Amino acid sequence: GQNIDQPTEMTATEGAIVQINCTYQTSGFNGLFWYQQHAGEAPTFLSYNVLDGLEEKGRFSSFLSRSKGYSYLLLKELQMKDSASYLCAAMDSNYQLIWGAGTKLIIKP
Amino acid sequence: IAGITQAPTSQILAAGRRMTLRCTQDMRHNAMYWYRQDLGLGLRLIHYSNTAGTTGKGEVPDGYSVSRANTDDFPLTLASAVPSQTSVYFCASSKVSGSTDTQYFGPGTRLTVL
Repeated sequence: GQNIDQPTEMTATEGAIVQINCTYQTSGFNGLFWYQQHAGEAPTFLSYNVLDGLEEKGRFSSFLSRSKGYSYLLLKELQMKDSASYLCAAMDSNYQLIWGAGTKLIIKP
Repeated sequence: IAGITQAPTSQILAAGRRMTLRCTQDMRHNAMYWYRQDLGLGLRLIHYSNTAGTTGKGEVPDGYSVSRANTDDFPLTLASAVPSQTSVYFCASSKVSGSTDTQYFGPGTRLTVL
């Protein structure tokens, strides 16, 4: 079956670094997406990885290991506005997204 | 209009009633999607449309129907609502189907079926 696992909730301190992990199992693989979703709002696109390695975009970076079925989202210099849920989604061979339940990130001052 | 709009923002509905959730995009995207989001679960695909005039079933299509008469609009209809359809519904679109194009989401409709 197809499955995405990510932690339910994480807590971090303002100014610190946090890594949100995601493991996936899909029928075929066409890339890994990360979305941010603030409470009561729509998911918004953060990153897409299809090749192994780290992609950096400002304070946010995303890593992929295809052989391990593993990705992480790295958030640096945390700000209070980063308090949100972070959704991991893998694209299968039919180009459909399989979504994780999301990781709720709580930032404390 | 900029992006994707959905209506209504929220709705409380009696079980057995018919309801249509509206979705409109102005990005001229070919592909559109309907998802539901429930606490503790990932987004689940209900129906999708690769292009105007075509629709397909997603992971959880039962009890829902869609149509795609034109590029911009993709309404979702609940023929006879049941309490298990209480959820937040998101419409999304992407430039091209069958590709790795990013999906962009509307603001969502919060539906409660009593």
